Amino acid sequence: TQLLEQSPQFLSIQEGENLTVYCNSSSVFSSLQWYRQEPGEGPVLLVTVVTGGEVKKLKRLTFQFGDARKDSSLHITAAQPGDTGLYLCASRNTGNQFYFGTGTSLTVIP
Amino acid sequence: NAGVMQNPRHLVRRRGQEARLRCSPMKGHSHVYWYRQLPEEGLKFMVYLQKENIIDESGMPKERFSAEFPKEGPSILRIQQVVRGDSAAYFCASSPTWGGANQPQHFGDGTRLSIL
Repeated sequence: TQLLEQSPQFLSIQEGENLTVYCNSSSVFSSLQWYRQEPGEGPVLLVTVVTGGEVKKLKRLTFQFGDARKDSSLHITAAQPGDTGLYLCASRNTGNQFYFGTGTSLTVIP
Repeated sequence: NAGVMQNPRHLVRRRGQEARLRCSPMKGHSHVYWYRQLPEEGLKFMVYLQKENIIDESGMPKERFSAEFPKEGPSILRIQQVVRGDSAAYFCASSPTWGGANQPQHFGDGTRLSIL
């Protein structure tokens, strides 16, 4: 079983602040995905990172894949209330299963 | 999320009854995955199916739970003799026929199952 640990578990910040959430594992990922899930909805894919050291930007969101492909981070600049949600990292093992992290629940207060 | 359709969105059952959850994948997708989610937690893999085949059911309880993905029609997750511990959100995801390790999954909006 590939365990994905996310931190922090809960995060509450004021609008305009910056934040970083983390996804870590003792295993090497072939690739890693970040999803955002809003209450009452299914997860929506934000990005897939594949190469060690890779950095991808999606507007105010910056995703980084660790050089050793065992960790990843998501940085949000100038957070907005619309960023509120559960952020999940996920990776696929050599078989058929996607493993999801425990998630970071983000609340951005206006 | 609109591409993967799950129904019903909410399902209430009494202990001992059966629950049937349906999932229609996105057009052109023949791989379906079912997940279970408890509040404020990540998703736990249950089963992976392709048309008419169960590929991996290692995350699904051996008793009372079954899944199918027939040649025609939606995928069905069936829970027999439900117990209170089955209360959760059940999500379905699909990926294209050519999906590989890096192929993302597209999720439906889930079925919230409540057991009285």
